[in-house]
Amino acid sequence: AQTVTQSQPEMSVQEAETVTLSCTYDTSESDYYLFWYKQPPSRQMILVIRQEAYKQQNATENRFSVNFQKAAKSFSLKISDSQLGDAAMYFCAFLRGSNYKLTFGKGTLLTVNP
Amino acid sequence: NAGVTQTPKFQVLKTGQSMTLQCAQDMNHEYMSWYRQDPGMGLRLIHYSVGAGITDQGEVPNGYNVSRSTTEDFPLRLLSAAPSQTSVYFCASSYSGRSINYGYTFGSGTRLTVV
Repeated sequence: AQTVTQSQPEMSVQEAETVTLSCTYDTSESDYYLFWYKQPPSRQMILVIRQEAYKQQNATENRFSVNFQKAAKSFSLKISDSQLGDAAMYFCAFLRGSNYKLTFGKGTLLTVNP
Repeated sequence: NAGVTQTPKFQVLKTGQSMTLQCAQDMNHEYMSWYRQDPGMGLRLIHYSVGAGITDQGEVPNGYNVSRSTTEDFPLRLLSAAPSQTSVYFCASSYSGRSINYGYTFGSGTRLTVV
């Protein structure tokens, strides 16, 4: 079974600074997808960024980017120019291409200090 | 707006009661899933469906039942509620095939308390 590990239960960052959230995963699959979801206090799950395993180029969405190290099975999220609205729980998630079941890490609670 | 609709948003049950959490999507997604979220545990898969008439168990299926008679609806039934089922429940849906890379769309969640 796939496992997803987020080793940082909590992180904090100053407004306008950069922060990196860590995620590692364990799989023997070659066809898979990785995601970062954001969960603000409203409880809504919001897709932040996605990465397909067969793509070597790291995904980027505005201030959010990933560092995808396939051999190391690492998928970290970098948030640049942090804003107060970035404060949330962030979940890393893994999805096998063959069975479509999404496996989540336990989450990292990000605090943004003004 | 198109998306995943969950009802109710909040519910309090007594131990032993049964209830159904409703989930509907209007995006013609083939895949639908139910997750529960508990503090420090992330989201764990309860049941999932790859199409109408097809369901399967996830990681934590005990005490829950599902069916999928239509593409749009995927209700989750609690047969006899227990305090251990106090949680936040999320329904999610997705396209199949390569479009799975767009990820799952989540409902807004149901906070369930069993007393």
